[in-house]
Amino acid sequence: EVQLVESGGGLIQPGGSLRLSCAASGFTVSSNYMSWVRQAPGKGLEWVSVIYSGGSTYYADSVKGRFTISRDNSKNTLYLQMNSLRAEDTAVYYCARGGGQQLFDYWGQGTLVTVSS
Amino acid sequence: SYVLTQPPSVSVAPGQTARITCGGNNIGSKSVHWYQQKPGQAPVLVVYDDSDRPSGIPERFSGSNSGNTATLTISRVEAGDEADYYCQVWDSSSDHYVFGTGTKVTVL
Repeated sequence: EVQLVESGGGLIQPGGSLRLSCAASGFTVSSNYMSWVRQAPGKGLEWVSVIYSGGSTYYADSVKGRFTISRDNSKNTLYLQMNSLRAEDTAVYYCARGGGQQLFDYWGQGTLVTVSS
Repeated sequence: SYVLTQPPSVSVAPGQTARITCGGNNIGSKSVHWYQQKPGQAPVLVVYDDSDRPSGIPERFSGSNSGNTATLTISRVEAGDEADYYCQVWDSSSDHYVFGTGTKVTVL
């Protein structure tokens, strides 16, 4: 059974850093493309970043240069390093497995990041 | 950047048909995927590649895509279909994933 479990969210001050983790089971992270998708309170879904099986990474313009996606194959875990956090980064962050024609077939339950002083 | 536009809300009576549109420039040339999200839950894929359904998704959910509009159709709507629905495509020019603005479906 495919499972994705995010962790690492919390309250952080503006300008601070946080690293999110997404532990996967039931499949191999490095064999799939994986993404982070976020949702601000009461708002819609926003794609954040993707890492492909070959290691290529891409970012939404809103986070480029501040966020870094990575994975640890030995731990079968996806990460999102978030630096220079802003109030507008406040959201529930979901990790999602990619499949087929650039879609997301499995999602984690999400972890809340609150950026506030 | 590529933009997908959805109506903010759709209301439908039980047993009737709900249609949710997703507008984008020449969206008919792209593969469109649809997600259902209930309050406090993660999104769930309900239609992929314009009109295919993942296993476990009722046949009541169907999709189409042509020209500048993709449509998710929910037939014989049930109270349990009340949720937010998002369309999604991949923009090959930027290698970015794009979600629609989202539509709240209310069952009257």
